[in-house]
Amino acid sequence: DGGITQSPKYLFRKEGQNVTLSCEQNLNHDAMYWYRQDPGQGLRLIYYSQIVNDFQKGDIAEGYSVSREKKESFPLTVTSAQKNPTAFYLCASTLRHSQLEKLFFGSGTQLSVL
Amino acid sequence: GESVGLHLPTLSVQEGDNSIINCAYSNSASDYFIWYKQESGKGPQFIIDIRSNMDKRQGQRVTVLLNKTVKHLSLQIAATQPGDSAVYFCAENRSNQGAQKLVFGQGTRLTINP
Repeated sequence: DGGITQSPKYLFRKEGQNVTLSCEQNLNHDAMYWYRQDPGQGLRLIYYSQIVNDFQKGDIAEGYSVSREKKESFPLTVTSAQKNPTAFYLCASTLRHSQLEKLFFGSGTQLSVL
Repeated sequence: GESVGLHLPTLSVQEGDNSIINCAYSNSASDYFIWYKQESGKGPQFIIDIRSNMDKRQGQRVTVLLNKTVKHLSLQIAATQPGDSAVYFCAENRSNQGAQKLVFGQGTRLTINP
């Protein structure tokens, strides 16, 4: 089955620790996205990548980093610089960035601070 | 401003009744709009979209209405079922100098009473 897989489903971060959230897709999509979801708020864009080895900052990139070494994978690192990391993180992909109306989402990772 | 907002954060309806979820948007240049359904602990799922050159679009048990005059979007769900319980949110696609961006609303939680 084609789709987007996020792991882990739940993740805990200690003070000062970097953690990495995994996102893999086998849909052959060029564009991939990371969103942050907080209760009562709309999704906010952290980073996106239109093609391998390229990525751009979204609206709330501070305290996060990404890489896009393979088409299928777009991991997100939440660094210690992100002071309020507790949130639900969603990865998404679409065939091309110009086709945002066909955005597919993963099932999310809930990150909490210990 | 940068906001796609919903009029009500929660909506409770009786099973079998019709539901109407509303969304206000602020950017008159947005060219299409999308409704998503998000069940607890899962990623958003596409329900239906509508382009700005339309004022109504129907799917299976769902209808989206677009009123560009007052920048208002609504999702109507006919004969609601227990499986319709979820958070519903709208998104608008904004284009700025060729760059596209989805802006998401905060969501409305729909609860179906038996």
